Amino acid sequence: EVQLLESGGNLVQPGGSLRLSCAASGFTFSSYAMTWVRQAPGKGLDWVSAISGGGGSTYYADSVRGRFAISRDNSKNTLDLQMNSLRAEDTAVYYCAKVYYYAGSGYYYEYWGQGTLVTVSS
Amino acid sequence: QSVLTQPPSVSGAPGQRVTISCTGSSSNIGAGYDVHWYQQLPGTAPKVLIYGNSNRPSGVPDRFSGSKSGTSASLAITGLQAEDEADYYCQSYDSSLSAHVVFGGGTKLTVL
Repeated sequence: EVQLLESGGNLVQPGGSLRLSCAASGFTFSSYAMTWVRQAPGKGLDWVSAISGGGGSTYYADSVRGRFAISRDNSKNTLDLQMNSLRAEDTAVYYCAKVYYYAGSGYYYEYWGQGTLVTVSS
Repeated sequence: QSVLTQPPSVSGAPGQRVTISCTGSSSNIGAGYDVHWYQQLPGTAPKVLIYGNSNRPSGVPDRFSGSKSGTSASLAITGLQAEDEADYYCQSYDSSLSAHVVFGGGTKLTVL
């Protein structure tokens, strides 16, 4: 059974930093790209970042590029998101999700964790 | 403002059929990119309902179906049930964005 368990969410002041983690189990972690998607309170889904299975390729939304860094440790089956220079608009539940590729190049988010809440406020 | 436009809300009575639209443009759905649909029950994480425009993952009831035409896609739910009350999101890709991945703004389905 695939399980994704996020942790690290907390209350942080504007300009501060936070590191989120996602512990994965139930699948061959290194074989799959992973992604972070966030959801501000009462709002829709917002893609944040993604990383390839080997970790060599990373991708970011314009809103977080230069402030957030995605990484993974395939020996520990963990995905991380280092968030710096946090802003009030970064307040959201952050979900990690497993990426599933189909039919050559199409992909979707097959499994999601339960999310972890990040609140940026003074 | 989301790149993919969905109605904020739809409703239907138990047993009825409802559809949720997802309207894009020539740089996303109209460019041939696939559309996926996610269901988010209250207080839970999203779950994939439809991938690749019209494919259902194992375990998703055949009451849910998806289609795509031109610059739009639709999710249809037949035989509406109370447990279908949730938020629904479409997702695709956009060639005009550096990050490519785009979500619709979401549609709240209310079962009357």
